[in-house]
Amino acid sequence: DIVMTQTPLSLSVTPGQPASISCKSSQSLLHSDGKTYLYWYLQKPGQSPQLLIYEVSSRFSGVPDRFSGSGSGTDFTLKISRVEAEDVGVYYCMQGIHLPPYTFGQGTKLEIK
Amino acid sequence: EVQLVESGGGLVKPGRSLRLSCTASGFTFGDYAMSWFRQAPGKGLEWVGFIRSKAYGGTTEYAASVKGRFTISRDDSKSIAYLQMNSLKTEDTAVYYCTRFEYSSSLFDYWGQGTLVTVSS
Repeated sequence: DIVMTQTPLSLSVTPGQPASISCKSSQSLLHSDGKTYLYWYLQKPGQSPQLLIYEVSSRFSGVPDRFSGSGSGTDFTLKISRVEAEDVGVYYCMQGIHLPPYTFGQGTKLEIK
Repeated sequence: EVQLVESGGGLVKPGRSLRLSCTASGFTFGDYAMSWFRQAPGKGLEWVGFIRSKAYGGTTEYAASVKGRFTISRDDSKSIAYLQMNSLKTEDTAVYYCTRFEYSSSLFDYWGQGTLVTVSS
């Protein structure tokens, strides 16, 4: 199975400041169709996960443009340009190429200072 | 509005069975694959399995941890996906989420609110 490793596992950010989360996969997530199947989810406290980013860098409908994804192959990053209070929660990366199973990173807990 | 509502969770003894339901609305259910994920208390997310749409064969895939014990099925006429869980173990205790898989972009876009399954004697 593909192992997804996130760093850091927690971060505390002042509102208005940027934040960055790294996700590394144990194998390349580049598919023969040319797409890279790396996703980012946010699970806010007490809620179910919500999709933020798909195929590395495409924002899902309704996701604010302060969220951006980048990377290729095995190294990926989620960036929040200016953190807001509503961004608190746990962020997960997930791979969708080497199936089954879909696998997740351990999660990164974001809190506000 | 897309809605996924899980039901059927509860307290069950080890070795017993439980069936979860995911009732969908707001979209053409039969056009989508449906998947189940779970989250043990205080832990991360784990994919459980999925069922393809009839157009893609209606076949299923499962995580190794549940293969042979769990079965996913669907009733497109009722817009319901099921997760039949047999031979339950204490480590199956988790919140179970139903999700929709959107084929064109290959993503799980909508999630239900989850239903808690507790396996304990």
